[in-house]
Amino acid sequence: EAGVAQSPRYKIIEKRQSVAFWCNPISGHATLYWYQQILGQGPKLLIQFQNNGVVDDSQLPKDRFSAERLKGVDSTLKIQPAKLEDSAVYLCASSLSGGYYGYTFGSGTRLTVV
Amino acid sequence: AQSVTQLDSQVPVFEEAPVELRCNYSSSVSVYLFWYVQYPNQGLQLLLKYLSGSTLVKGINGFEAEFNKSQTSFHLRKPSVHISDTAEYFCAVSDNGNTPLVFGKGTRLSVIA
Repeated sequence: EAGVAQSPRYKIIEKRQSVAFWCNPISGHATLYWYQQILGQGPKLLIQFQNNGVVDDSQLPKDRFSAERLKGVDSTLKIQPAKLEDSAVYLCASSLSGGYYGYTFGSGTRLTVV
Repeated sequence: AQSVTQLDSQVPVFEEAPVELRCNYSSSVSVYLFWYVQYPNQGLQLLLKYLSGSTLVKGINGFEAEFNKSQTSFHLRKPSVHISDTAEYFCAVSDNGNTPLVFGKGTRLSVIA
């Protein structure tokens, strides 16, 4: 089966600019996650979707981050305006339903804010 | 709330030697436990998982882990490592699969020829 697709792979922007990341999960996976992985740390959950509804966005900095999952398939994560501390790898993952089957991760988008 | 502690940030080991990567978790309910591996510039790949049943879990690439409820641990082991095992390893926990995975900070395994 095809894996989780993410784009772009790399992005460099200046602080205060905006940026968007795209994720296409595995076909049929109802649950989609966005994680932020800062260099030297483990991934941290930003938001979880079940189909096209938000299940958990408690750790999403909503003053600058937004995410949507239209039609319960593709998802977009946006940052506006970006700060230096947003430099990280943004990982998208999907699962059939919750954690029982484990998650399949995409290769991530490496964001550098200068 | 769940949390995961990976006790070693870096583990150097010689090729063909055994290795153990340590993981402790905290949770107030029954847990699902996972180990993921991350190669440079790649996403996370599932090595193995514990959901229930036998406490010794076997995964891909010759890795295994043992769930110890009394010690709240889920240590990862391999009897003989290869150069290709050099990567970052992450332990993660979920409350019965009902909550998103919470990851530890990772352990960088470096295999020395």
